[in-house]
Amino acid sequence: AQSVTQLDSHVSVSEGTPVLLRCNYSSSYSPSLFWYVQHPNKGLQLLLKYTSAATLVKGINGFEAEFKKSETSFHLTKPSAHMSDAAEYFCVVSAWETGRRALTFGSGTRLQVQP
Amino acid sequence: SQTIHQWPATLVQPVGSPLSLECTVEGTSNPNLYWYRQAAGRGLQLLFYSVGIGQISSEVPQNLSASRPQDRQFILSSKKLLLSDSGFYLCAWSKGLASTLGDTQYFGPGTRLTVL
Repeated sequence: AQSVTQLDSHVSVSEGTPVLLRCNYSSSYSPSLFWYVQHPNKGLQLLLKYTSAATLVKGINGFEAEFKKSETSFHLTKPSAHMSDAAEYFCVVSAWETGRRALTFGSGTRLQVQP
Repeated sequence: SQTIHQWPATLVQPVGSPLSLECTVEGTSNPNLYWYRQAAGRGLQLLFYSVGIGQISSEVPQNLSASRPQDRQFILSSKKLLLSDSGFYLCAWSKGLASTLGDTQYFGPGTRLTVL
């Protein structure tokens, strides 16, 4: 069975400092991995996805993530946080499970950006 | 381009009342459609998915049901709401075919349901 663990439920950074949101996954087969962002009372917006091409994936709004198979990690980073980055972030893994592909969502990391 | 709509945006209902939430997708054909629930402070739980008209798969036993009367319309219903049905309901779509259920999903704006 596949699973995804977001290691921090809350992360707080100052505006202009780097962001690191950590995600570890477990999958018995080559997974696809995604990061989504959710602003309060809004739907989820796709930030980026990894689908077995380049291991360093660039997304929207300056975010990027690196797939590290040896560490089973897919951490999300951004060099410089902006106030508008304050939101909840979900790491998602997609892999074959019981005869079909399925998405498994992490529990989310709430990012706070201090002025 | 594709767009996904959900309505209503917010809903307050008494316990025991019926529910109907609607989701429609534009700009694509034969999408896979999904209903998720997000309880306060928690991640997303997949409730139902559909790979075609009239084809509904339920992921968890519950007080809710889903229907897909048209290719790009997905409805979430209940005959009698429970307090535990409160939450944020999200509809999503992905490119069609059962083999692509795990592909990139695109989410609607959500419906905030409060059951009192």
